[in-house]
Amino acid sequence: KAGVTQTPRYLIKTRGQQVTLSCSPISGHRSVSWYQQTPGQGLQFLFEYFSETQRNKGNFPGRFSGRQFSNSRSEMNVSTLELGDSALYLCASGPDREFEKLFFGSGTQLSVL
Amino acid sequence: KQEVTQIPAALSVPEGENLVLNCSFTDSAIYNLQWFRQDPGKGLTSLLLIQSSQREQTSGRLNASLDKSSGRSTLYIAASQPGDSATYLCAVGDDYKLSFGAGTTVTVRA
Repeated sequence: KAGVTQTPRYLIKTRGQQVTLSCSPISGHRSVSWYQQTPGQGLQFLFEYFSETQRNKGNFPGRFSGRQFSNSRSEMNVSTLELGDSALYLCASGPDREFEKLFFGSGTQLSVL
Repeated sequence: KQEVTQIPAALSVPEGENLVLNCSFTDSAIYNLQWFRQDPGKGLTSLLLIQSSQREQTSGRLNASLDKSSGRSTLYIAASQPGDSATYLCAVGDDYKLSFGAGTTVTVRA
């Protein structure tokens, strides 16, 4: 069974630009969540989607948005990039039930110059 | 707001020694607690998941306990090996999200 696939693996952008990251969950998983990891703040929850519906959202500005498609693939978008958005963005997929294990992708390393 | 704390922040042990990693959380209304391993620049690998109704989980050399009432979990790694060197993260699950601790960075010296 293929794992969680995130693309691209690395991204370099400049301030003010926007970026879109992609996540393909494990086959059969309908829950996709996103996390931001930085050396200073650690891992922080961005949002979670299940069957195209956002069920929870973390405490991030509106520049961070996401969506989920009918095939469970998900994208997150960051507009008007700031230097502080440089981070490893991790996607996790899970089955229907909240009590189950989450599986993480390798992440997208975003650098904002 | 759930706060998750991991102690110690770093740990260095000789090969063969047992490892004890601690995690505490402030809100006991959780669905589960998950331990992860992260290697530098990589994603997270799930090690053990303990449901809120369980007291412990075991997998090979790993054992994790959960005391929900006191807001504590402990990860034990028996007979450590250099390949166990990594950062170990504790995460508490509730409301469709995980709240993470800052991690314990473990170095196992050969």
